[in-house]
Amino acid sequence: EAQVTQNPRYLITVTGKKLTVTCSQNMNHEYMSWYRQDPGLGLRQIYYSMNVEVTDKGDVPEGYKVSRKEKRNFPLILESPSPNQTSLYFCASSFHAGQFYNEQFFGPGTRLTVL
Amino acid sequence: DAKTTQPNSMESNEEEPVHLPCNHSTISGTDYIHWYRQLPSQGPEYVIHGLTSNVNNRMASLAIAEDRKSSTLILHRATLRDAAVYYCILRDPNSGYALNFGKGTSLLVTP
Repeated sequence: EAQVTQNPRYLITVTGKKLTVTCSQNMNHEYMSWYRQDPGLGLRQIYYSMNVEVTDKGDVPEGYKVSRKEKRNFPLILESPSPNQTSLYFCASSFHAGQFYNEQFFGPGTRLTVL
Repeated sequence: DAKTTQPNSMESNEEEPVHLPCNHSTISGTDYIHWYRQLPSQGPEYVIHGLTSNVNNRMASLAIAEDRKSSTLILHRATLRDAAVYYCILRDPNSGYALNFGKGTSLLVTP
């Protein structure tokens, strides 16, 4: 089944404890991205990747890192999480970023709470 | 960036058609009109997209005004599973790769 998977789905952590949220897609997509969703602010893009080893900042990149060493994986890294990073996180992928008619596929979400 | 305007919420009865409007008066000639929806506790899901002509797929129909300043997502027979937030999004090749979701329309479907 074609899908985007995220792990973990739920995470409660404490300020400053490094964490990684994994994202994997099995559709051979070139483009992957991370969003966060907050009440009243909607979904905002954190980082995106056009292909392996090519990443760039989205609208809200502060406090996050990403890497794209393999085409299928795009982990989101929080080196020193803070309470303002408590949010619902979504990973997304699509075949080509440059083709603006392409649909994006989203993962099920990771609910992160930073105490 | 061209922006979209949608009603905050709409309500429909089950098995009736639903017409979800979207205004995009500043749309440019290269903007694609996309619709996504987000079911409760799930990630967004692609519904349909179009450029100039009306479009149909298994999920919905998209009716685009002749001047492209507005569009309507049509669910032909709403089911309880269609209760979701529906987002109308313009995709412009010149304004980056992110989907700008906005606030969307929350659709309530009642039995």
